[in-house]
Amino acid sequence: DQQVKQNSPSLSVQEGRISILNCDYTNSMFDYFLWYKKYPAEGPTFLISISSIKDKNEDGRFTVFLNKSAKHLSLHIVPSQPGDSAVYFCAASDGGATNKLIFGTGTLLAVQP
Amino acid sequence: KAGVTQTPRYLIKTRGQQVTLSCSPISGHRSVSWYQQTPGQGLQFLFEYFSETQRNKGNFPGRFSGRQFSNSRSEMNVSTLELGDSALYLCASSLQPIGGSYNEQFFGPGTRLTVL
Repeated sequence: DQQVKQNSPSLSVQEGRISILNCDYTNSMFDYFLWYKKYPAEGPTFLISISSIKDKNEDGRFTVFLNKSAKHLSLHIVPSQPGDSAVYFCAASDGGATNKLIFGTGTLLAVQP
Repeated sequence: KAGVTQTPRYLIKTRGQQVTLSCSPISGHRSVSWYQQTPGQGLQFLFEYFSETQRNKGNFPGRFSGRQFSNSRSEMNVSTLELGDSALYLCASSLQPIGGSYNEQFFGPGTRLTVL
């Protein structure tokens, strides 16, 4: 049972435009959400996170939006750059004394110059 | 500060063999988690260790096991390898888990295991 879903396996965007990556979850106990970026042959690197008590978090070109009623979050990248081309993973934590993360299957973002 | 290191980076084994992967966390990090990444499945949680104790375990068969040493280094072992165990195995380290607070996890580059 996939508790965190990224329904778009890939996304192609022109440089300078907005990239929107989506993520849905089913477990209402999740209280923290994260986005990781992964290049080939490297481990995932943390990008941005959001607590369930917030609906928006912004860091430079990256903004994450959380809609708890819809159990949906999205990552906006503006403006998109060719160096943003990577696989993006959405992940969730249900808190408690654990660092366990539940990951989505990832979305491959390609930013065309 | 050195990042998370994993050895070996690449490994080829045959069905039925066993394998041991190693992870050295960032200095000062005492929590180590392991994940398996396969195409189409994303990253799936294997287990988490803190202070040499397994704190959490994912939905994997008993062939997958791990341990953590007093210096926080961790190993995971897969016995009786199957073709489906071919994957990228990622280790992540973080500060100790604290109830109600999430600590950022830093991932290593992974070990690519191929089972023939």
